[in-house]
Amino acid sequence: DIQMTQSPASLSASLGETVSIECLASEDIYSYLAWYQQKPGKSPQLLIYAANRLQDGVPSRFSGSGSGTQYSLKISGMQPEDEGDYFCLQGSKFPLTFGSGTKLEIK
Amino acid sequence: QVQLKESGPGLVQPSQTLSLTCTVSGLSLTSNSVSWIRQPPGKGLEWMGVIWSNGGTDYNSAIKSRLSISRDTSKSQVFLKMNSLQTEDTAMYFCASLYGGYTFDYWGQGVMVTVSS
Repeated sequence: DIQMTQSPASLSASLGETVSIECLASEDIYSYLAWYQQKPGKSPQLLIYAANRLQDGVPSRFSGSGSGTQYSLKISGMQPEDEGDYFCLQGSKFPLTFGSGTKLEIK
Repeated sequence: QVQLKESGPGLVQPSQTLSLTCTVSGLSLTSNSVSWIRQPPGKGLEWMGVIWSNGGTDYNSAIKSRLSISRDTSKSQVFLKMNSLQTEDTAMYFCASLYGGYTFDYWGQGVMVTVSS
């Protein structure tokens, strides 16, 4: 199975700050990478797919980048509503596997 | 408007079988694939398996021997059955529609399943 190592596990950011979250795959996943945001008690919401494509309706302050085994999610200008948990997902091979998650809080 | 909604028992005894239903609206199951994903309390997400639009299935090898996913297209429902439940199967169980072959665009609200005697 492909392992997704996500970092950091937790992060605290000030309003307006730029934040980055990383995912490292155990092998090349050819940009089959998605990012999700999850609020407490809610189901995950798709933010980014194909490593850098913004899902419809997602604010443009979210962006994704990367290739090969290294990928990142950037939030340019932290907003209060961005608090939550963030997960990456690889879709290069089955079983699909998720990163362990990053808890993002406002400082 | 696409909606998925999970239903099933909130409490299952150890060694018993879990049966969950995902009722889908706004999507055709013959054109869209649906996965089950679970999340233990305070932990990350685990993909369990998928039923493809053609009716074929794929399962996570870690639980493949215990898991079965099926569907009733006339009722627009997808079913999960998992046997030999243990306490570590306690989790929120989600169904979600597959997008682009590997990611998920629409999710249900989830159903919490506790395995306990």
